Amino acid sequence: SAVISQKPSRDICQRGTSLTIQCQVDSQVTMMFWYRQQPGQSLTLIATANQGSEATYESGFVIDKFPISRPNLTFSTLTVSNMSPEDSSIYLCSVVAAGKTTDTQYFGPGTRLTVL
Amino acid sequence: QKEVEQNSGPLSVPEGAIASLNCTYSDRGSQSFFWYRQYSGKSPELIMSIYSNGDKEDGRFTAQLNKASQYVSLLIRDSQPSDSATYLCAVNPGGYALNFGKGTSLLVTP
Repeated sequence: SAVISQKPSRDICQRGTSLTIQCQVDSQVTMMFWYRQQPGQSLTLIATANQGSEATYESGFVIDKFPISRPNLTFSTLTVSNMSPEDSSIYLCSVVAAGKTTDTQYFGPGTRLTVL
Repeated sequence: QKEVEQNSGPLSVPEGAIASLNCTYSDRGSQSFFWYRQYSGKSPELIMSIYSNGDKEDGRFTAQLNKASQYVSLLIRDSQPSDSATYLCAVNPGGYALNFGKGTSLLVTP
């Protein structure tokens, strides 16, 4: 499977600031996604990162709060904007590798965000 | 609301025993089912996928699917302490998005 890296691995941020998380894959992938895992909860899909176009957001998530970019097939960023303590969570990118079925997803190591 | 339900546990089994993890889902049209293992502080790791009714075996792991009952299970044979983790059931109701359960915590005691 593809090797996925995320930066930063963790961060502590102040309320009202923004953080950009990077996801890098070592090979071309067909699809990239961003998930959130709040403490004690399961994973919730934020959006699908589309190459060269606007991301597709799930219900309850908006572009102003979570702008996403995907300039090429191996890289994507998620920004958490105007953060509040409720945004404290683990943010994970996942990918579908080329040649795999579209629902076989592999996860990056995650970014643990704490908002004070 | 497309629900995926799992018993949160913890499920405690002795080393060498069979661990049985269960999952039910609400969307009858779901076609793809996955089990992920998540160690504390780590990201989910895909361990099994199943698409057809019946059993699918991979090493010590067996996934079982019963679409009529909307039920998926994961059996871990010869459980080891290293199997102690949270196991997430994921269901694809259609398209590409996965719906995840909250996970079952498994503890394998030496």
